[in-house]
Amino acid sequence: DAGVIQSPRHEVTEMGQEVTLRCKPISGHNSLFWYRQTMMRGLELLIYFNNNVPIDDSGMPEDRFSAKMPNASFSTLKIQPSEPRDSAVYFCASSLGSLVHEQFFGPGTRLTVL
Amino acid sequence: AQRVTQPEKLLSVFKGAPVELKCNYSYSGSPELFWYVQYSRQRLQLLLRHISRESIKGFTADLNKGETSFHLKKPFAQEEDSAMYYCALSGGGSYIPTFGRGTSLIVHP
Repeated sequence: DAGVIQSPRHEVTEMGQEVTLRCKPISGHNSLFWYRQTMMRGLELLIYFNNNVPIDDSGMPEDRFSAKMPNASFSTLKIQPSEPRDSAVYFCASSLGSLVHEQFFGPGTRLTVL
Repeated sequence: AQRVTQPEKLLSVFKGAPVELKCNYSYSGSPELFWYVQYSRQRLQLLLRHISRESIKGFTADLNKGETSFHLKKPFAQEEDSAMYYCALSGGGSYIPTFGRGTSLIVHP
């Protein structure tokens, strides 16, 4: 297994543009997490899915952020419109949930909004 | 509510010195605690978990329920230990882990 896959690895865009980040969790994992990492705030949980259903999106900063998980092998995080303060590294992680709480992280997407 | 506190944003030591990265937690039940590490330009990965009681790369961490702490220790730091370290807590039946803000460890030659 290649582990959690994220794309793109780097994204540079201009303020106001729509940004879509993609994630493929580890096959068989039923929990998926989106995190944002910044120097100021560290690692922040944005949203969590269990069995493709959003369970907790209280970490999503604003309505400009939305996330979907149409099936067990794919999730997207969309920012529309993007702003410079959204610049960060966005991580996707998956886990088996239930008995095992270890999370497996993707390589992250480094987003720069100019 | 569960909370994880890493009081140090940055810890700087010289090679060969002992290192201790602090982690305190707040949780009313029986927590499961983890340390994750992120080396430069690499993905975040699990370093160790308290239930395993193992030593990984010379690091150990003991859960102290009385002090609600899970400090990460290594007797002799190496340059390759330089990384970002996150303490995380998972409680009861919750799938949602809580991460601390992270401590950046820099080991100087």
